[in-house]
Amino acid sequence: GQNIDQPTEMTATEGAIVQINCTYQTSGFNGLFWYQQHAGEAPTFLSYNVLDGLEEKGRFSSFLSRSKGYSYLLLKELQMKDSASYLCALGGSGGYQKVTFGIGTKLQVIP
Amino acid sequence: EADIYQTPRYLVIGTGKKITLECSQTMGHDKMYWYQQDPGMELHLIHYSYGVNSTEKGDLSSESTVSRIRTEHFPLTLESARPSHTSQYLCASSGGLAGGHLTDTQYFGPGTRLTVL
Repeated sequence: GQNIDQPTEMTATEGAIVQINCTYQTSGFNGLFWYQQHAGEAPTFLSYNVLDGLEEKGRFSSFLSRSKGYSYLLLKELQMKDSASYLCALGGSGGYQKVTFGIGTKLQVIP
Repeated sequence: EADIYQTPRYLVIGTGKKITLECSQTMGHDKMYWYQQDPGMELHLIHYSYGVNSTEKGDLSSESTVSRIRTEHFPLTLESARPSHTSQYLCASSGGLAGGHLTDTQYFGPGTRLTVL
């Protein structure tokens, strides 16, 4: 099976940088996803890491270390609209495309 | 921008009624999924499909059923709605290509918020 751990809640200041960590235990996976979900809305795709290292996409970056079972999402120049839950998710292994979602980290951005 | 649609967006219905939640995608994705999510809680996979005529139960037991007669359409049916079915239901699909490789990135519809009285 797959097990994902994330902090439940975080608070950060507008304009700052915040790092949301995700640790996992799994017997195998294709890649690791990060999704953003605003309250009452559907998750939207942010990033996908297959190989170890950093993937940068504008203000958001995601990092993966398979050997450490660890990933993080880095949000720079925080804006109020970044207040949302951030879901770490593991893709299935091989051709098995089920995705396992973590419970998510609720980020509150304050002025 | 993902092209996946759900109807209705909101539904309030009495106990015992039969309901069907619609989900359609125009991306030609083979894989489709239904999730159930209560406010502030995690996503729970209740059904998935790998293609036409393929349906599987997910990780969370559900009294709902699904069908996949066409690639683009994956409706979910509750034969007899109960208050315990009150939740948000999210449909997703995957199977597109990124950089020439098949990806399991899931794209979500806007969801149906169901309330059973």
